[in-house]
Amino acid sequence: NAGVTQTPKFQVLKTGQSMTLQCAQDMNHEYMSWYRQDPGMGLRLIHYSVGAGITDQGEVPNGYNVSRSTTEDFPLRLLSAAPSQTSVYFCASSLQGAGDSDTQYFGPGTRLTVL
Amino acid sequence: SQQGEEDPQALSIQEGENATMNCSYKTSINNLQWYRQNSGRGLVHLILIRSNEREKHSGRLRVTLDTSKKSSSLLITASRAADTASYFCATRGNNRLAFGKGNQVVVIP
Repeated sequence: NAGVTQTPKFQVLKTGQSMTLQCAQDMNHEYMSWYRQDPGMGLRLIHYSVGAGITDQGEVPNGYNVSRSTTEDFPLRLLSAAPSQTSVYFCASSLQGAGDSDTQYFGPGTRLTVL
Repeated sequence: SQQGEEDPQALSIQEGENATMNCSYKTSINNLQWYRQNSGRGLVHLILIRSNEREKHSGRLRVTLDTSKKSSSLLITASRAADTASYFCATRGNNRLAFGKGNQVVVIP
């Protein structure tokens, strides 16, 4: 199993550009989520999904969209990039969102810079 | 929303010593988890403790949970240089997993 994969690893955008961060997992996990990590802020939840076709907002959803058309993929879209979105983005998945099946598997991250 | 908060923020210890980190949270939880992050890498799951459990062990790790005080501690015994990393607690509640800001631990050989 490849686990959780993220592409790209690095990206530089100009203010106002749009892009999609890709996330895929091959473990048949129902629960997937996106976090951003900023210095001194820990990880903050952007959006999450409890299964295909179901998504919900996290702590910091503004400026981001998600969709979950398949169990495997959970892309994160930046509609109009802003410098405040400069961050490291992590995708994570787990079998379920509770109990012992709640172990999160993280991708390697995407480092995004918005100029 | 609930959020774990670790204490202390940074810890520097000698190899072989024990390292203890604390985490507090504000609302009811389903479980509490600890993760490790090495510099520039993704987070790796260390241990999960359910809300009805009080203590759990995994190798050199010992986690305690006090739901009455809404706090948890992570103990790493006989630390090694390879334990140098940032450690995060995360709490599950309301279908969300919320992370604290992390503890940076440096183990000096």
